Amino acid sequence: QKEVEQDPGPLSVPEGAIVSLNCTYSNSAFQYFMWYRQYSRKGPELLMYTYSSGNKEDGRFTAQVDKSSKYISLFIRDSQPSDSATYLCAVSRQLTFGSGTQLTVLP
Amino acid sequence: GAVVSQHPSWVICKSGTSVKIECRSLDFQATTMFWYRQFPKQSLMLMATSNEGSKATYEQGVEKDKFLINHASLTLSTLTVTSAHPEDSSFYICSARVPREVSYEQYFGPGTRLTVT
Repeated sequence: QKEVEQDPGPLSVPEGAIVSLNCTYSNSAFQYFMWYRQYSRKGPELLMYTYSSGNKEDGRFTAQVDKSSKYISLFIRDSQPSDSATYLCAVSRQLTFGSGTQLTVLP
Repeated sequence: GAVVSQHPSWVICKSGTSVKIECRSLDFQATTMFWYRQFPKQSLMLMATSNEGSKATYEQGVEKDKFLINHASLTLSTLTVTSAHPEDSSFYICSARVPREVSYEQYFGPGTRLTVT
């Protein structure tokens, strides 16, 4: 079993839609959870991070961690074409990455 | 956020030659830097962890004699791909950890695209 599983997509939504991106992880000891955004041919950019359980909001982005089900989510409200990218979840300080979900927001 | 740069951004080299990629933390000192490799439409694969002033720790399956890592200062780590072959063609990305007491923040460079012909 992989340490982090992420639906690779691709995911295509119309502009303005709410996007939900999800990952599951296997090790209940993980405490750090990150979301990175990667544009094509660029390095990943840290979007959000959470420690332990709960929600964290930053503008149109909300990160959610449910440790009981080992499930993490990133929600994007009012999605924009500029949000089109690959989104990678990562867990633990050692940054074990999910495979990434390719998102396209259509104008 | 912290800024990490990489140089060059892309390089083409002939099979059998060596290529050096530099990774710099521009506005902070990074005691720990990481080197990743990414194939098209795949996630990042950690190659090695580089600690300033000591030998790098390589992940299983990564040839340390082929991928030489040097972390000579708190702001610079280099990756040298020795005797490159076409199968080494990939996107190489470095990252640096912000040195805080409880640190999970890693910032990535823009990546270096290596093509070996």
